[in-house]
Amino acid sequence: GESVGLHLPTLSVQEGDNSIINCAYSNSASDYFIWYKQESGKGPQFIIDIRSNMDKRQGQRVTVLLNKTVKHLSLQIAATQPGDSAVYFCAERGDSGAGSYQLTFGKGTKLSVIP
Amino acid sequence: EPEVTQTPSHQVTQMGQEVILRCVPISNHLYFYWYRQILGQKVEFLVSFYNNEISEKSEIFDDQFSVERPDGSNFTLKIRSTKLEDSAMYFCASCPADYTGELFFGEGSRLTVL
Repeated sequence: GESVGLHLPTLSVQEGDNSIINCAYSNSASDYFIWYKQESGKGPQFIIDIRSNMDKRQGQRVTVLLNKTVKHLSLQIAATQPGDSAVYFCAERGDSGAGSYQLTFGKGTKLSVIP
Repeated sequence: EPEVTQTPSHQVTQMGQEVILRCVPISNHLYFYWYRQILGQKVEFLVSFYNNEISEKSEIFDDQFSVERPDGSNFTLKIRSTKLEDSAMYFCASCPADYTGELFFGEGSRLTVL
């Protein structure tokens, strides 16, 4: 069936380095993708989103890249800080036709920043 | 900044008991959701709610579950006859009327079934 998944379950980076978190998706009908950050004991927190008609979007210290050809999504975090340590989820929304905003989440990548 | 609030933050219950998890979505939002996250696993969609009715539900959301918006502010998830495997974090989320796609999540309610 269709799924959203992440390549790496864990990622350790040195403070100040750039981080890249990858995600593969298989639903070609997905039109919207979001990256969420989840800190321990908290709910998912929106980081950045991208629509399927774009291939790149930048925020503050974060960039999301979408490659529809290979169905790949990545999150780049510049100058990673200790506060970036968390689990990062990609999520996709497919064309359900129901008018709802149901998201399908990937399994998550745990980012650990080494001071 | 407006936020989604959930209560209780943690509930422990005996197997077979009924639990009600409560959520207060952001006030001007019209779409409401419940998601579940079993420890160490991904966040799973349970149900979406709009205009006082369920708009979509997953296979997880069987007859054991129900949702209600009893007044203008609260959005509840009821789990009847809880099972051990219902132990999880339950997240409420809401979305504004316009098509932004971004869901705003609450901090979650941890349910432990013994």
